[in-house]
Amino acid sequence: SQTIHQWPATLVQPVGSPLSLECTVEGTSNPNLYWYRQAAGRGLQLLFYSVGIGQISSEVPQNLSASRPQDWQFILSSKKLLLSDSGFYLCALHREGTEAFFGQGTRLTVV
Amino acid sequence: SQQGEEDPQALSIQEGENATMNCSYKTSINNLQWYRQNSGRGLVHLILIRSNEREKHSGRLRVTLDTSKKSSSLLITASRAADTASYFCATVPSSNDYKLSFGAGTTVTVRA
Repeated sequence: SQTIHQWPATLVQPVGSPLSLECTVEGTSNPNLYWYRQAAGRGLQLLFYSVGIGQISSEVPQNLSASRPQDWQFILSSKKLLLSDSGFYLCALHREGTEAFFGQGTRLTVV
Repeated sequence: SQQGEEDPQALSIQEGENATMNCSYKTSINNLQWYRQNSGRGLVHLILIRSNEREKHSGRLRVTLDTSKKSSSLLITASRAADTASYFCATVPSSNDYKLSFGAGTTVTVRA
């Protein structure tokens, strides 16, 4: 069965520092992968999705970028974090017509 | 932008009561999904209903879909304390099978 791994669980970073969050999947090939951000008590904002290696669609222009170097790997990055980048980041995999599977999330606090 | 909007934002009920929440969306969909999120955790899929379906059941969950009104409802019957969580609807638009967009969610508290 497919599994999705996301780490770290929590992260505290200073303003202006770089960011790299990694998401990896197992047990499936060529999945669609997604990065969402959730502000406290709010819904999920779709940030990026990828339908294959090197293919990234950006939903919201911002201080973040994403890359998919391997079929099973999806990375969320920033060169310089802002206070507004704080939030709960969730990686998910989804196939058309089926349900999505989520990682356990990374709570990022920018100080 | 968020496609689905849940209503109400928050719901507090007594154990054993039913909980109903609604989701409205804007564009034509391929399917609509409901998820649950326990505090600080990832989302867990509950049920998927396709655009050509009107009702689905899964255990104590009942989902309806009205594409003419662009709305869906989730009913949790005989609620339990363990049902305390946030519930989100998510839509997959007809125009793009890859996008899965979530609403703001309904926070449900079940009092023992």
